Amino acid sequence: AQSVTQPDIHITVSEGASLELRCNYSYGATPYLFWYVQSPGQGLQLLLKYFSGDTLVQGIKGFEAEFKRSQSSFNLRKPSVHWSDAAEYFCAVGTTDKLIFGTGTRLQVFP
Amino acid sequence: EPEVTQTPSHQVTQMGQEVILRCVPISNHLYFYWYRQILGQKVEFLVSFYNNEISEKSEIFDDQFSVERPDGSNFTLKIRSTKLEDSAMYFCASRYNERNTGELFFGEGSRLTVL
Repeated sequence: AQSVTQPDIHITVSEGASLELRCNYSYGATPYLFWYVQSPGQGLQLLLKYFSGDTLVQGIKGFEAEFKRSQSSFNLRKPSVHWSDAAEYFCAVGTTDKLIFGTGTRLQVFP
Repeated sequence: EPEVTQTPSHQVTQMGQEVILRCVPISNHLYFYWYRQILGQKVEFLVSFYNNEISEKSEIFDDQFSVERPDGSNFTLKIRSTKLEDSAMYFCASRYNERNTGELFFGEGSRLTVL
């Protein structure tokens, strides 16, 4: 069955600290991989995506993610978190026509 | 910056009533989608729409659901007879025509509460 697991429901970090949000997936083939962010009252905004090639992808707002085929993972990282990064983060896999989302990780940032 | 807009932002309805959620996709986009998120659960694919017909639909998208692009700008999701379990946030999304690299642009969502 196709699925996405985000094991961390809620993460709290201090501003300036590093961040890693975990994402594991189960899919028949190597899917396209995405990270979306949703700020309160906002829609889902694409942070970054992986289709092929270099397994370390750079996104907006200083985020990056690494695709590890052997672990079926696509973890999101940021070296230094800003207070404005507080939001809900969704990992998604699939095609551009049909995405399978994880349940999301809510990030809280303390000053 | 162009964006996908959705109305209403929140709708409360009685069970059994018809609901229409409206979306205005980005103007030059050709592919349109509805996703939903039940509170505390995953965002789920409902339906994709291209060239005035459904491209793909999920098991959730049963006969109670329909989509329409009534004019050149709107994309609607209709639920004919709402059930309690239809309570969710409904997201509209659109995409240009780059099959393998096109980004999905999502709206802010319409929250539906069925009483």
